[in-house]
Amino acid sequence: RKEVEQDPGPFNVPEGATVAFNCTYSNSASQSFFWYRQDCRKEPKLLMSVYSSGNEDGRFTAQLNRASQYISLLIRDSKLSDSATYLCVATYTGTASKLTFGTGTRLQVTL
Amino acid sequence: DTGVSQDPRHKITKRGQNVTFRCDPISEHNRLYWYRQTLGQGPEFLTYFQNEAQLEKSRLLSDRFSAERPKGSFSTLEIQRTEQGDSAMYLCASSLVGTGGSPLHFGNGTRLTVT
Repeated sequence: RKEVEQDPGPFNVPEGATVAFNCTYSNSASQSFFWYRQDCRKEPKLLMSVYSSGNEDGRFTAQLNRASQYISLLIRDSKLSDSATYLCVATYTGTASKLTFGTGTRLQVTL
Repeated sequence: DTGVSQDPRHKITKRGQNVTFRCDPISEHNRLYWYRQTLGQGPEFLTYFQNEAQLEKSRLLSDRFSAERPKGSFSTLEIQRTEQGDSAMYLCASSLVGTGGSPLHFGNGTRLTVT
């Protein structure tokens, strides 16, 4: 089982739609979580951190459920420019302070 | 530009050759990571440094791979006797150590093609 699992998609949604991605992580010791965005053939870029209480950044809302070990990302009012792959990331502060990435969920927003 | 820079951007090599990639992190960042990414997959952790100390190496990093960060600034990743399975995007990232996890800032990557 992968440490961080995501539905690879693709999710094809019309412009203006609301779309949600879920991600599960297997390491209960994971402490920090992030969503990264990756455009085709580009490097991943930090979209937002995920806080226990949930957090919002404009049209983007991230939620964390530690009991069920999943993270979600909600995108409201999708734009064409939101088309990208969204990578879920978990990490824990221990001997291995590395970020573990999911395979990514591809989003395609259409007219 | 104060971002993470990687060199070269692209490298095509023949099977069996050695290749070396360079990464210059964000100057105030003390952690430097190497990841590898293949098509349709997320980045896979290879190794990371805190200052000049290499603190962890993934099982993915066979003995043909070696990474260094001699002065705690730039890093190099060398692959000896390349194989076709080494073809991938090699991503370098840096961060500032702190409590909890620190987000990574990635470079543009080095795309390796082994023919």
